[in-house]
Amino acid sequence: AQSVTQLGSHVSVSEGALVLLRCNYSSSVPPYLFWYVQYPNQGLQLLLKYTSAATLVKGINGFEAEFKKSETSFHLTKPSAHMSDAAEYFCAVSLFGNEKLTFGTGTRLTIIP
Amino acid sequence: DAGVIQSPRHEVTEMGQEVTLRCKPISGHNSLFWYRQTMMRGLELLIYFNNNVPIDDSGMPEDRFSAKMPNASFSTLKIQPSEPRDSAVYFCASSLKPPNQPQHFGDGTRLSIL
Repeated sequence: AQSVTQLGSHVSVSEGALVLLRCNYSSSVPPYLFWYVQYPNQGLQLLLKYTSAATLVKGINGFEAEFKKSETSFHLTKPSAHMSDAAEYFCAVSLFGNEKLTFGTGTRLTIIP
Repeated sequence: DAGVIQSPRHEVTEMGQEVTLRCKPISGHNSLFWYRQTMMRGLELLIYFNNNVPIDDSGMPEDRFSAKMPNASFSTLKIQPSEPRDSAVYFCASSLKPPNQPQHFGDGTRLSIL
């Protein structure tokens, strides 16, 4: 079975500062990994996905994530936070050929002006 | 392109009433998922379909919940009878056939059972 753990249910950063949201996965086989963002009163939107083609994955809105097998991690980063980045972020994992996604508990990102 | 469309966006009803949530997936997508989101339990997968066939309903809370997908462009999630603990935001998502296809989410139905 696969699972993801998101460290920190709430993260606050100043506008212009580095954003780092942590995700660790557990999987017995090479996983597919995703980051989603949820804005208030909306559904989840895909930020980026890892599919084994490259360990550094670039997504929308300036976000990127690096797959580190040795650390079983897939942390999300953005060099410079913007007020519009305030939202909840979810890490998710699936296995090859399986549509089922397992989501983490989410991290709420607050941007301090 | 139209995304996943859910209706209604908000539903308020009294305990014991039947509730029907509707979902139109993205055209051409093979898989459809129903999720429930609450503060206490986070995002839970209730059931998913592949080519209109239910594949995994292990997340359906109890017999009061049922889901159907009569065709590739429509699905319903029904709660009968509803209870206050069913209050949550219910999301529908769809995706292409795997591998590694992302799920596309609707904006959800916010359900309140009084």
